[in-house]
Amino acid sequence: GQNIDQPTEMTATEGAIVQINCTYQTSGFNGLFWYQQHAGEAPTFLSYNVLDGLEEKGRFSSFLSRSKGYSYLLLKELQMKDSASYLCAAANYGGSQGNLIFGKGTKLSVKP
Amino acid sequence: DVKVTQSSRYLVKRTGEKVFLECVQDMDHENMFWYRQDPGLGLRLIYFSYDVKMKEKGDIPEGYSVSREKKERFSLILESASTNQTSMYLCASTRTGAYEQYFGPGTRLTVT
Repeated sequence: GQNIDQPTEMTATEGAIVQINCTYQTSGFNGLFWYQQHAGEAPTFLSYNVLDGLEEKGRFSSFLSRSKGYSYLLLKELQMKDSASYLCAAANYGGSQGNLIFGKGTKLSVKP
Repeated sequence: DVKVTQSSRYLVKRTGEKVFLECVQDMDHENMFWYRQDPGLGLRLIYFSYDVKMKEKGDIPEGYSVSREKKERFSLILESASTNQTSMYLCASTRTGAYEQYFGPGTRLTVT
């Protein structure tokens, strides 16, 4: 079957570091996306990992281990505006073109 | 910049009404998607289309139909709206061979 798991909620303090984990089981895996979604808004692209390792983009980094079916999103120097849901999504060959399989999202609350 | 627009941000309809949700993208993307998003359930794929006049069922197509008469436009139709179709509806698009999906702002539909 196909399954994406991530924690439902997390809380962190402004200025701290937080790591949001995602595990996946899919057939035809072709990379892992992270999206950010503020309440009432559309998801926006954060990162895409297709090879193992860490990709850094400013305060945000994303890691992938294909052998372990595992990814994480690391947010450094947290700001209040980082309060949002973070969606993990696996790109999937199975099915038709451009399909992503989404996790249910992790709601991150950043507190002062 | 890719732009995906949806016809309404908020919509209130009565049970039994026929509802049309429209999505337009301006980047000549071949693939277009309709999702609904509900608390605790995440993004669920309703229908997608990889070409004009082509459509494929997603995970939850029951009660919905779609229309793709032009490449840039993908419509979601609720033939007879029911209260359990109250949800946030998100449209997305991507080009052939790519997985990064670009989302519209969403339509929050309430069926009373």
